[in-house]
Amino acid sequence: AQSVTQPDIHITVSEGASLELRCNYSYGATPYLFWYVQSPGQGLQLLLKYFSGDTLVQGIKGFEAEFKRSQSSFNLRKPSVHWSDAAEYFCALDTGGFKTIFGAGTRLFVKA
Amino acid sequence: GAVVSQHPSRVICKSGTSVKIECRSLDFQATTMFWYRQFPKKSLMLMATSNEGSKATYEQGVEKDKFLINHASLTLSTLTVTSAHPEDSSFYICSASLGQLPGNEQFFGPGTRLTVL
Repeated sequence: AQSVTQPDIHITVSEGASLELRCNYSYGATPYLFWYVQSPGQGLQLLLKYFSGDTLVQGIKGFEAEFKRSQSSFNLRKPSVHWSDAAEYFCALDTGGFKTIFGAGTRLFVKA
Repeated sequence: GAVVSQHPSRVICKSGTSVKIECRSLDFQATTMFWYRQFPKKSLMLMATSNEGSKATYEQGVEKDKFLINHASLTLSTLTVTSAHPEDSSFYICSASLGQLPGNEQFFGPGTRLTVL
C-alpha cells in the first residue's frame, strides 16, 4: 500500500540549532516526493521536491532533503533554524496517478 | 509564484444548511483543481479532483451528493457542502495545478474553516 509516515508529531529545537524532520514512504516504484510547509492562515508552500537524479535536493528557505531509496526515506534538514521556521511540515508522495498522499505532519516549535 | 485564494476563510452555519466555498487561481489558469479536507492534527485527505468542464472524480468514501464540486472555468472551482452537519466541520483546502502530469506542482489555497452548529 502507498503511504507516507512522519514519525514525529512535533519537534522542538533551539533557534540556531540544526533540524531534521523524518519522512518514510511506501511505494513500489520511484516516487515523486515533496516537502511542504503550512503556516497559520497560509496555504501549503512547496519547500522542495524530488523526481529523479541527484538524491540531495535543495529547496527554498535554506532547506534540503535527501532521498534514500534503501531506507525509503526523504528526510528534511536545515543547518540553522530561525524562529520564523516554526510551522507544520508535511511530506508528500505523488504516486503518478495524480493523487498526492500526505504524511500526518510534524509541528516544529522553535525556542529562543 | 502562483497564487490561489479561497473564500470565505471561515464560515459558521447551522445544521441542515448548505455552504459554498470558492477556490480561485489568481494569476494562472488551472486545468486541474483538488479539494482536500484536513482534520485537527491530521493530514490532508484528498476528497476529489476536478478538471475544468468535466465532472469531478471523488475519492472512495466521499459522498458526491453531499460535497458538490463545480469547476466551471480555468480559474474557479467551488465546493458546496449540502445539508451540512456538525461532523462536516473541518478545514477545507483547495489546490490548483497547471496540468495532470505526475509530479506537477500544486498551489494551495489558505483554507476554509467550516464550523457547523
